[in-house]
Amino acid sequence: DAGVIQSPRHEVTEMGQEVTLRCKPISGHNSLFWYRQTMMRGLELLIYFNNNVPIDDSGMPEDRFSAKMPNASFSTLKIQPSEPRDSAVYFCASIRTGGSSYNEQFFGPGTRLTVL
Amino acid sequence: AQSVTQLDSQVPVFEEAPVELRCNYSSSVSVYLFWYVQYPNQGLQLLLKYLSGSTLVESINGFEAEFNKSQTSFHLRKPSVHISDTAEYFCAVSKSGGSNYKLTFGKGTLLTVNP
Repeated sequence: DAGVIQSPRHEVTEMGQEVTLRCKPISGHNSLFWYRQTMMRGLELLIYFNNNVPIDDSGMPEDRFSAKMPNASFSTLKIQPSEPRDSAVYFCASIRTGGSSYNEQFFGPGTRLTVL
Repeated sequence: AQSVTQLDSQVPVFEEAPVELRCNYSSSVSVYLFWYVQYPNQGLQLLLKYLSGSTLVESINGFEAEFNKSQTSFHLRKPSVHISDTAEYFCAVSKSGGSNYKLTFGKGTLLTVNP
């Protein structure tokens, strides 16, 4: 299995530009999570989807952030317009929920975003 | 809501020395507990988890953690570390049972193993 795939791995952009981060979860996984990691705040959950439906977006910092999951194999996190304080590593994770056992979240390699 | 406190942001040790990474949590409900490891420039990987049963859980590479409900702790230990254990370690918690898979992470502890 290829694992969780994220693209791009690195993104450098200028303040005000639109940024789109992409994630392909592991095949068969039905829940997907977006996290942000910074030195100051650590690892924060931004939003998670179950069966393509957003369940909890309470971690999305503000309206500049939006996330979609149009189908079971693809999700995007968009920042428009981007600001320097959005600079962070963004992780996507997926999990197969349901059944009698608790399954682990599998993380992608992350996208390192730098907003100048 | 749950919260996790990792008391040490950095822990430097020498190779073959024992190490303990501390984790305390706060929750008004029963929880599952996890340790994740992050190697440089990589995503997080699950190291071990406590869901129920024996309070001592072990990983395949020699780490262990003990769930202590009275002290609300889940400290990670290894009796003898290797250079390759150098990484950042994250403690995490989620509500037990049901269909809630949301994880709350601590801020991480950077373990540096020196020769």
